Amino acid sequence: IAGITQAPTSQILAAGRRMTLRCTQDMRHNAMYWYRQDLGLGLRLIHYSNTAGTTSKGEVPDGYSVSRANTDDFPLTLASAVPSQTSVYFCASSPRGGPLHFGNGTRLTVT
Amino acid sequence: GIQVEQSPPDLILQEGANSTLRCNFSDSVNNLQWFHQNPWGQLINLFYIPSGTKQNGRLSATTVATERYSLLYISSSQTTDSGVYFCAVGYNNNDMRFGAGTRLTVKP
Repeated sequence: IAGITQAPTSQILAAGRRMTLRCTQDMRHNAMYWYRQDLGLGLRLIHYSNTAGTTSKGEVPDGYSVSRANTDDFPLTLASAVPSQTSVYFCASSPRGGPLHFGNGTRLTVT
Repeated sequence: GIQVEQSPPDLILQEGANSTLRCNFSDSVNNLQWFHQNPWGQLINLFYIPSGTKQNGRLSATTVATERYSLLYISSSQTTDSGVYFCAVGYNNNDMRFGAGTRLTVKP
């Protein structure tokens, strides 16, 4: 089934540990995005990529890094997790300038 | 950066009622989308509507880009319409920003 796959579904992580959230799409979309969703704050853009080989900072990029080595994969890395990074993380993709399609999210708890 | 404001923040309806949700944005945009987040947390794209009017069943949306707002209409609401509705705007090299959402509760 075409779509976006995020892994893991949920994770509990000790503060200071490194973590990579995975995102893969099979729709050959040019653009990919990472958002975090916190209660009462909607979705906030962390990083995005318009095409393979390029990435851009969003609204809340600090503490996160991304890479876009190919069209399908867009991993999000927390180099040293902190409790304020506890959130639900959504990956999305779109044909450039087109409708966004979302994965089912990763629930991350940093203790 | 661009500001996206949605109203009302919360809305409670009886089943069968109609409603209008609003999205205002502070700058020119190159696209606008509406989403529904269901109680299980899934985000579903309802409309891709940078301008004009579209309809899909009981839902319709209108974007007036020159006046920097969009409206989502829900007619004959059903309990399955409950959830959070988000608008998102695209600007500045494909950056997509979301509003804080409208939480809709439809009572039977």
